[in-house]
Amino acid sequence: QKEVEQDPGPLSVPEGAIVSLNCTYSNSAFQYFMWYRQYSRKGPELLMYTYSSGNKEDGRFTAQVDKSSKYISLFIRDSQPSDSATYLCAMNRYGGYNKLIFGAGTRLAVHP
Amino acid sequence: GAGVSQSPRYKVAKRGQDVALRCDPISGHVSLFWYQQALGQGPEFLTYFQNEAQLDKSGLPSDRFFAERPEGSVSTLKIQRTQQEDSAVYLCATNRDRRQETQYFGPGTRLLVL
Repeated sequence: QKEVEQDPGPLSVPEGAIVSLNCTYSNSAFQYFMWYRQYSRKGPELLMYTYSSGNKEDGRFTAQVDKSSKYISLFIRDSQPSDSATYLCAMNRYGGYNKLIFGAGTRLAVHP
Repeated sequence: GAGVSQSPRYKVAKRGQDVALRCDPISGHVSLFWYQQALGQGPEFLTYFQNEAQLDKSGLPSDRFFAERPEGSVSTLKIQRTQQEDSAVYLCATNRDRRQETQYFGPGTRLLVL
């Protein structure tokens, strides 16, 4: 079993929809949780970064971490066609250098 | 430059050929990581440098893979005697220091081994 599980989709939604993306993980030592967006043939770019449990909001994006359930989520409000990409969750342990453990990525398509 | 750059962007190699992939980090970034991303998968850690020191190479899949960063800036990932299973995107990521959580990724090198 992988340390980080993520449904690969694909997920197809109409423009304006609320999108929910999720990951589960097994290692309770993970403390830092990130969401990266990756457009086709590009490198991942950081969207959201959260330390430990709680919520974080940035514009149309909200990241949630529930450490008791080992479950993290990314919500996208008012989705746009430009949000069409692969969304990767990533996490790492507290302390030391920050080797990231990624989920498989969820492919999202927002159609006009 | 403003971001992490990698070259070449695409590489086609015949099975058994040696390849070298280059990463130019953001200026002043101390930490440098290499990841391998297979088709339809998330990136997987290969190796980590802090300045010129390779502190972790636990993710390198075999002794055919070798990475170096001799002056603590540019890094090269070398794959000897390439195999078809080496076909993947190789991503380089850097950050300012070992305590910083944000990693900045380059565009990757897409390697296809025929």
